[in-house]
Amino acid sequence: DSGVTQTPKHLITATGQRVTLRCSPRSGDLSVYWYQQSLDQGLQFLIQYYNGEERAKGNILERFSAQQFPDLHSELNLSSLELGDSALYFCASSVRGGGAEDTQYFGPGTRLTVL
Amino acid sequence: QKEVEQDPGPLSVPEGAIVSLNCTYSNSAFQYFMWYRQYSRKGPELLMYTYSSGNKEDGRFTAQVDKSSKYISLFIRDSQPSDSATYLCAMRGTGGFKTIFGAGTRLFVKA
Repeated sequence: DSGVTQTPKHLITATGQRVTLRCSPRSGDLSVYWYQQSLDQGLQFLIQYYNGEERAKGNILERFSAQQFPDLHSELNLSSLELGDSALYFCASSVRGGGAEDTQYFGPGTRLTVL
Repeated sequence: QKEVEQDPGPLSVPEGAIVSLNCTYSNSAFQYFMWYRQYSRKGPELLMYTYSSGNKEDGRFTAQVDKSSKYISLFIRDSQPSDSATYLCAMRGTGGFKTIFGAGTRLFVKA
């Protein structure tokens, strides 16, 4: 158990809908990362937050948004869902958010299925 | 061209074999190199972490980095069926915050 929690574990929804994925980082970690993993794309970095502020952005679609709250938990919002958004969404956390020996610890993931 | 290339496999070996997993990369600024193991339907877990070039050993696992060739390897000695998983390489630059992952290699160790 990495100490990173994600809810829900599974989510099934329809095209055009909006969902929210939640992540709680390990105790003491200030940075949260979101990744998307699909069969044909591997692990794709979406976005990173550090202590409430956006720090880095990857291949995140405009239909997706995220935020990190004062208690350091994070939410990833996915809207106008398309079939291609079906994937595993992972959250990871780390202490410093980058630099020397800053290790990311991954949560168990949320499996999103868009029908 | 992707920044990090990793053969997706699958790689199938008999129990007890030495396994070699590899990644190549194009960005010479990468300084931190990691290997993650991911079991089916689970989140990736960190196996090995190496800074710059050289070797690092941890039990049955050895990580090697050759920066001159932009090539990293993970060796698994005396492989076990429990090693069956997907192995992802990952790397990051010195001042960077963005970690780039390889596509992952699926490994099957047959009893």
